[in-house]
Amino acid sequence: DAGVIQSPRHEVTEMGQEVTLRCKPISGHDYLFWYRQTMMRGLELLIYFNNNVPIDDSGMPEDRFSAKMPNASFSTLKIQPSEPRDSAVYFCASSSGFPTDTQYFGPGTRLTVL
Amino acid sequence: QKEVEQNSGPLSVPEGAIASLNCTYSDRGSQSFFWYRQYSGKSPELIMSIYSNGDKEDGRFTAQLNKASQYVSLLIRDSQPSDSATYLCAVNGGSNYKLTFGKGTLLTVNP
Repeated sequence: DAGVIQSPRHEVTEMGQEVTLRCKPISGHDYLFWYRQTMMRGLELLIYFNNNVPIDDSGMPEDRFSAKMPNASFSTLKIQPSEPRDSAVYFCASSSGFPTDTQYFGPGTRLTVL
Repeated sequence: QKEVEQNSGPLSVPEGAIASLNCTYSDRGSQSFFWYRQYSGKSPELIMSIYSNGDKEDGRFTAQLNKASQYVSLLIRDSQPSDSATYLCAVNGGSNYKLTFGKGTLLTVNP
C-alpha cells in the first residue's frame, strides 16, 4: 500500500489567503484524523472522521478552519483566511479501528503563512 | 483538560546503554497507550502499544504501564545512534476516543 498521501508537502502563503490541504487515507481505513504540530503546543488533534462522518471537531481552533471528507479516499482541511499563527506542520493519519488500532501518519504538510 | 506529560529532554545516552523515557497522564479512564517515534522532519511512527498493566517487550523495546500511578514508560536497550529521535507518548481516553499526545522527549544516542 502507498500509505497516507498528503499534498502539498510545503505551502507558503500570505496572510488572508485561503489554504487547502489534502489527504488520501490508506485504502480500507475507516478513520481519518487531522493533526497540527507546533513546537509550542506539540501534536494536537483537530478533527476526526469515521466512515466519512465528522465525529469530533472540538480541536478545530476557530471558524476559520473547516474539514470535509466527501468520500472514503479523500479529505480536505481548509483555512480561510489564513493567519501567521496557523504556521505549523499538518498531519493526516488513518486507522482501521480506532481507538486501539495503529494510526498511520502521512508525511505532513509544512504550512508557512507570511 | 486531559494531559499527557513528558520530560522534553534532551536525554543523552551513550551507545549500548539503556534509555528510559517516561510519561504521565491525567485521565484515569485512559485505556490505550502508545509510543511513537518521530525523526526530525518526518512523521510519527508507532513503535509500541500497551493496554494492560505490566511490561510488554518487542525486541530492544519494553513498554511499562502502571495505571494506578498513571504512568507509562519506554525502555530502549542497547541504544543505537539510529534511535536518536523524539519519542511521543500518546494516550487514548476512556471517556472519548481522542488520542492525546505528549510533547515528546528528544533522545540522543552518542556513538
